[in-house]
Amino acid sequence: GDSVTQMEGPVTLSEEAFLTINCTYTATGYPSLFWYVQYPGEGLQLLLKATKADDKGSNKGFEATYRKETTSFHLEKGSVQVSDSAVYFCALSAGQAGTALIFGKGTTLSVSS
Amino acid sequence: KAGVTQTPRYLIKTRGQQVTLSCSPISGHRSVSWYQQTPGQGLQFLFEYFSETQRNKGNFPGRFSGRQFSNSRSEMNVSTLELGDSALYLCASSQTFGDRQVLGTFGSGTRLTVV
Repeated sequence: GDSVTQMEGPVTLSEEAFLTINCTYTATGYPSLFWYVQYPGEGLQLLLKATKADDKGSNKGFEATYRKETTSFHLEKGSVQVSDSAVYFCALSAGQAGTALIFGKGTTLSVSS
Repeated sequence: KAGVTQTPRYLIKTRGQQVTLSCSPISGHRSVSWYQQTPGQGLQFLFEYFSETQRNKGNFPGRFSGRQFSNSRSEMNVSTLELGDSALYLCASSQTFGDRQVLGTFGSGTRLTVV
């Protein structure tokens, strides 16, 4: 079945450091790919998405490119801030009505000043 | 535009009891999905409802059930609670266009603790 694998955390960085969180997927067909962020005590917020190969999703300085050849969707940010501390989830969806989002295990990011 | 509203935010129940959680989707959204989040298993899909019909179901025991009302509000029920049911339960509402689903919005979740 479809699955998502993302790097284990926690990831600990200093403010203004470069961030990469790796995500790879296994899926039949051509899924849509997503990054969600979860702040303490809150639900999931969509950070960015890409719906086809070579698409680049971007939001709030975060970027991820849908790489079909390597089945990857790595999250990057050039300069992290303390406020970026959260748990990040990579997810995929086949897109058909009624289908579920399949999530990775999540990566905890901690940024210190 | 109001977001997805889940009630209650926190709940403490005793083993063996049953519980009902509520989710009000964004106005106009007819699809509601439920997910369970635990530290061990992560985020897992429970079920999805559209126009009062369950369209998809995850791999959970029959103690987990749900329904959707004509106004698209959804409830999920867990009977005979077990300690392992302690989790954050999230719902998401989505729009559907034909056979395609437009990614929805998640609520803040209900934190269920079973003691």
